[in-house]
Amino acid sequence: NAGVMQNPRHLVRRRGQEARLRCSPMKGHSHVYWYRQLPEEGLKFMVYLQKENIIDESGMPKERFSAEFPKEGPSILRIQQVVRGDSAAYFCASSPRAGGAHNEQFFGPGTRLTVL
Amino acid sequence: GESVGLHLPTLSVQEGDNSIINCAYSNSASDYFIWYKQESGKGPQFIIDIRSNMDKRQGQRVTVLLNKTVKHLSLQIAATQPGDSAVYFCAEAGGGSYIPTFGRGTSLIVHP
Repeated sequence: NAGVMQNPRHLVRRRGQEARLRCSPMKGHSHVYWYRQLPEEGLKFMVYLQKENIIDESGMPKERFSAEFPKEGPSILRIQQVVRGDSAAYFCASSPRAGGAHNEQFFGPGTRLTVL
Repeated sequence: GESVGLHLPTLSVQEGDNSIINCAYSNSASDYFIWYKQESGKGPQFIIDIRSNMDKRQGQRVTVLLNKTVKHLSLQIAATQPGDSAVYFCAEAGGGSYIPTFGRGTSLIVHP
């Protein structure tokens, strides 16, 4: 059973470009969480999605950021018109059910976004 | 505001020693606490959790202690090994939220 997959692992963008980060949850998991991690800091929650639904986006900036988790395919975190402050590691986690214990929430390896 | 934080940013220990990583929290509504291990270039990995109705919980070589009176959480690692070198985060959730709030992290360095 493959773990949570994220790609690309590293992404370089120039200011103003778009960044698309993909997350494939573990098999059988229908809940996905996105987090952002700045250097030497803990993870900060951005958004929680179920298939085709955004459940909680309280941690996601209102502008330029969007997320989706379609019926088929990976979850996508999209950042439009990137700025240098968007440079960070973005992690997704998946779990098999809502509100599950955190030993059921597995993290992917992350995408490291660098904005030049 | 409410926050979760760690006392020491870096902890260096000798292989075989016991390690203690501390965490302070200030959100009195927190009722669930988690410790994560993050190795370089990887995502966080769940280690152990504890609910607020417990004071202590043990896993394999790890023990989490919770002192609700002073809002303090600690992770004890017995017989620390070089493979334990990583950044350790405590996180808390409360009030029915499933979303953990992470602290800043402590870097554990184990010297052979």
